[in-house]
Amino acid sequence: GENVEQHPSTLSVQEGDSAVIKCTYSDSASNYFPWYKQELGKRPQLIIDIRSNVGEKKDQRIAVTLNKTAKHFSLHITETQPEDSAVYFCAASINYGQNFVFGPGTRLSVLP
Amino acid sequence: KAGVTQTPRYLIKTRGQQVTLSCSPISGHRSVSWYQQTPGQGLQFLFEYFSETQRNKGNFPGRFSGRQFSNSRSEMNVSTLELGDSALYLCASSLMGDTDTQYFGPGTRLTVL
Repeated sequence: GENVEQHPSTLSVQEGDSAVIKCTYSDSASNYFPWYKQELGKRPQLIIDIRSNVGEKKDQRIAVTLNKTAKHFSLHITETQPEDSAVYFCAASINYGQNFVFGPGTRLSVLP
Repeated sequence: KAGVTQTPRYLIKTRGQQVTLSCSPISGHRSVSWYQQTPGQGLQFLFEYFSETQRNKGNFPGRFSGRQFSNSRSEMNVSTLELGDSALYLCASSLMGDTDTQYFGPGTRLTVL
C-alpha cells in the first residue's frame, strides 16, 4: 500500500523567512496530494492541494510543487507569520480523494 | 453552509465497552471518511462510505465498523474498547470522494480508561 514520509518533523523559522516541508510517497498511482494545517486543538484544514497533472500550484504565500518522477511533493510558505505556526500534514490519495494516506506531520514554529 | 459536525465531542469509556460516534457531513456531500489521530501514529484512515456503502477500508481490526445512512450521516462503532483506542476520531466529508477536497469535522476525543 501507499506510504507517505514527511520531513522535517519539526521546523523553526524566523518571522518573514520561508519554510519548506517535503513529502515522498511510494505508490506511483497516487494522483491527488492535499496539505492540511492543524492548529492546536483544532481540526485539520485544507490549505492547498495539487493533482498529478499539475507541477506547481500557488495561492498567495503558499505554494506546492510536485515531482511525479521522483515521487515527492513540497509545501512552500513564504513571508512566514506567527499565525502560520501549526502542524502541517501532507497526504496522498489514489482516485482523487479516496483512501488518503497521511504523512506523520511537521510542527512549524514561526518565531517573532 | 454548515460544516461537518461530530457528536459527541468528548467521550470517556472503560475497557471492554463499545462506543458509537456520529458524523453529519456538509449538506450535499455523499462521501464520509473516518480517521483516527494519535500522537504516536498520526492520522490514520479507517474507512470511507459513499452512498451507504463502504468503499474503502484501512488497516484496522474488525472491532472498528461503520455505516452510512441515506441522508449521508455516518456512524462509527468500536466494540470491546482497548486502552490503545484512546484517540481523536475525525470524520471528513466530500462531494463524491473522487473529486478530492475533504472537509474535516471537529473530532470526537475518546478516552478509554
